Amino acid sequence: QPALTQPPSASGSPGQSVTISCTGTSSDVGGYNYVSWYQQHPGKAPKLMIYEVTKRPSGVPDRFSGSKSGNTASLTVSGLQAEDEADYYCSSYAGSNNFVFGTGTKVTVL
Amino acid sequence: EVQLVESGGGLVQPGGSLRLSCAASGFTLKNYWMHWVRQAPGEGLVWVSRINADGSGTDYADSVRGRFTISRDNAKNTLYLQMNSLRAEDTAVYFCAREIVGALTDPWGQGTLVTVSS
Repeated sequence: QPALTQPPSASGSPGQSVTISCTGTSSDVGGYNYVSWYQQHPGKAPKLMIYEVTKRPSGVPDRFSGSKSGNTASLTVSGLQAEDEADYYCSSYAGSNNFVFGTGTKVTVL
Repeated sequence: EVQLVESGGGLVQPGGSLRLSCAASGFTLKNYWMHWVRQAPGEGLVWVSRINADGSGTDYADSVRGRFTISRDNAKNTLYLQMNSLRAEDTAVYFCAREIVGALTDPWGQGTLVTVSS
């Protein structure tokens, strides 16, 4: 199962917004509403930020939002803060009891 | 406090075996489907395997199918990953995590490093 495609990097100034794309196929992102997003700081375990395309777990700021159109999902971080600087990974159910992660995006707060 | 703690990683020669453990506390393991995810040094996350709540159903990534076996002991609140015929490309930090509606919820374990090298 090939990895979902994400841009290697994204950046924004504090207070700005950044949007990360996650492109798959009709067999994964486009076929199911089981897209999730994870934040990972260096040396730390990943943290769930979005599940089922748009839902935020308790405790995740509403600055984080998710969406999907066709085979591409997106994560938007509004009102960028210094602590948002991290790697972000998307993930999707890929059918046949498989899961797939994205290639990862490094977000830099300028 | 909900916690997952992985153990069992280490240095192993190509072709060797290791068994990873993931000890759960603060919640009832038997209520969750569980996953293993790995991350090679400096690389991204890769899904490895999943097991259903009672252990009767398992799934694997193509890269590990036939070599790795996921299992669980709900009475001991522990998840396992038996890794055989290890290859250099299996070198990674291995994380365990709980599933909720197709996502891996917090907290993940801190990970355990597996290094396959001669």
